[in-house]
Amino acid sequence: RKEVEQDPGPFNVPEGATVAFNCTYSNSASQSFFWYRQDCRKEPKLLMSVYSSGNEDGRFTAQLNRASQYISLLIRDSKLSDSATYLCVVNSGGGADGLTFGKGTHLIIQP
Amino acid sequence: EPEVTQTPSHQVTQMGQEVILRCVPISNHLYFYWYRQILGQKVEFLVSFYNNEISEKSEIFDDQFSVERPDGSNFTLKIRSTKLEDSAMYFCASSTTSGTNTGELFFGEGSRLTVL
Repeated sequence: RKEVEQDPGPFNVPEGATVAFNCTYSNSASQSFFWYRQDCRKEPKLLMSVYSSGNEDGRFTAQLNRASQYISLLIRDSKLSDSATYLCVVNSGGGADGLTFGKGTHLIIQP
Repeated sequence: EPEVTQTPSHQVTQMGQEVILRCVPISNHLYFYWYRQILGQKVEFLVSFYNNEISEKSEIFDDQFSVERPDGSNFTLKIRSTKLEDSAMYFCASSTTSGTNTGELFFGEGSRLTVL
């Protein structure tokens, strides 16, 4: 099972700022990409899927660069409630069922 | 809102003891998973289960581990002889379709296993 790499942070960002994270993946056969959010000592929850053309969901924008094998997440107008760990997740390719998680980027929004 | 439930929320056991972690997936879901997360580490895939059989397992899921769906609702993870390094949060997840395609796995709140 191939790796997914993320900057662990923490990213300390003032409320209202824009913040971006990147993630790189090593398995070129990966076909599906996602960002999950995990609050401290809680379960991961799907934030958004990442599509080849890029996609936006409110203040969140995800981008995929297949050639360079990286995925990005941009958060605009950050809120205190955005403080969490953001997990980059890819499928394993080859029809495998399980998902491969990155270790996560820890984001702290400061008032 | 339907959710995945797990019991127990925390279990403390002695090394070498058997442990069973229980999960009730969302009722109309067809794919079931166990993941684990050692404190401060990443979420790691253990096993996926579909149509009453294991569809995939990771190298972590060795002979000490087994899964069962004994009664059509519960989905259990058994660790036969626990080791210190089995201490982790164990997450059960379920999905309507293979998680590979949709990415939307619904996770339970986890069972924290502490092996002494």
